[in-house]
Formats: sequence, C-alpha cells, structure tokens
Amino acid sequence: EAQVTQNPRYLITVTGKKLTVTCSQNMNHEYMSWYRQDPGLGLRQIYYSMNVEVTDKGDVPEGYKVSRKEKRNFPLILESPSPNQTSLYFCATSWGLAGAFIYNEQFFGPGTRLTVL
Amino acid sequence: AQTVTQSQPEMSVQEAETVTLSCTYDTSESNYYLFWYKQPPSRQMILVIRQEAYKQQNATENRFSVNFQKAAKSFSLKISDSQLGDTAMYFCAFMIGNTGKLIFGQGTTLQVKP
Repeated sequence: EAQVTQNPRYLITVTGKKLTVTCSQNMNHEYMSWYRQDPGLGLRQIYYSMNVEVTDKGDVPEGYKVSRKEKRNFPLILESPSPNQTSLYFCATSWGLAGAFIYNEQFFGPGTRLTVL
Repeated sequence: AQTVTQSQPEMSVQEAETVTLSCTYDTSESNYYLFWYKQPPSRQMILVIRQEAYKQQNATENRFSVNFQKAAKSFSLKISDSQLGDTAMYFCAFMIGNTGKLIFGQGTTLQVKP
C-alpha cells in the first residue's frame, strides 16, 4: 500500500529538548516537504527536498532542520523547541524532477500534533 | 510574493444543496497550478481537484467543480448535491511550476447540515 508515515503522531515535550519527527514514504517519490498548520494561517511550508541531498527553505524554516540522506526518509529536527513551535505538522511527497518539475499530486502523511510546554 | 486568500472562514449548507467556496490568489507567474484540498476531522489532507493555469477549461471531479478566472486570479470551488461527508475544512493552494512549493490559503470550514 502506497503511504506516507509520520512518527510520532502525538508528542508533548518541554522547551529546549531536542526532538525529531520522522517521515517515510514507500512510493519512490523524489520530492518531499514539511508543512506546519496553525489556526487561521493554513499550512505553511517549512522545508522541502527536490531529491536526495538537496534541501531548501520554505516560508518558515527558523528553528527547524532537515536532512535527506536517502530517498524514502525526510526527518524534521527541532534542536531547541519553543512554545511557538506548537503546531500540527505534515509531511508530503510527490513525483518531481529537479530542474524540470512535473506536476503531480502531493500525498500527505497523517500529521504529527506537537505541543511544546 | 505569492499569496492565497480564502475570505470565508466558515460556511454551512443544507444537505443536497450547492455551495461555493471562494479563493483568490496573487502571482506574477504565468506557469502555475491550483488545488483544493479537503481536511476532514481525521486531519488527513485529501486532494479534491486541481487546475493547470494554462488550461482554460474548468476542472470537474464528480460533484466538485471549479470556476477558474485567470484574469481575476480567482479559483472558486463548487460542491453540488452536498453530502454530510463533505463536512471538512477546505484549503485552496497554489503552486508555481518547477518549484513544487505549495502555498495555502487560510482555509474554509464547511458544515453540511442534515
């Protein structure tokens, strides 16, 4: 079954405690991306990756890091979480060719609800 | 900067009736794509319909159709024969060709009443 998985699905943590949210896909997609969803703001892109070893900032990258060492995984790292990073996070994937992006549907993971106290 | 605006935070419709959700966007690009996503209470993001900017014909998917007005930069979603399962938050989104970057609107919460 084609899917995008995220772990954990729910997380409550404290300010400053490093955490990683994992994203994994089994569709052999080139493109992966992270979004955060906040009430009244819709979804905003944090980082995206056109293919392995290539990542770029989205609209709200401050306080986040990513790495793309292999095609299927794209973890989101919060080195020192703060309460303003409390949000719902989505990973998304799609077919995409660097330098000649061919539109295709973005498939979203189930979301990770993060609370930073 | 590209922006997407959904001016209706909440809407409601009676079951079996038709409802239209509004979306406007701003861009100077000529090659782009537009989408409507549905987010039910399960929080899963589900693609409802998409439109390529270079296509003049409005996209249709069963009960869902769009009214794409390129000059006005408007992209509204019409839901016909509304069903209880259509109750969800709907997001309009915009993507510039060759980037993969999706820009979302603020969302419209739609409630379908029995």
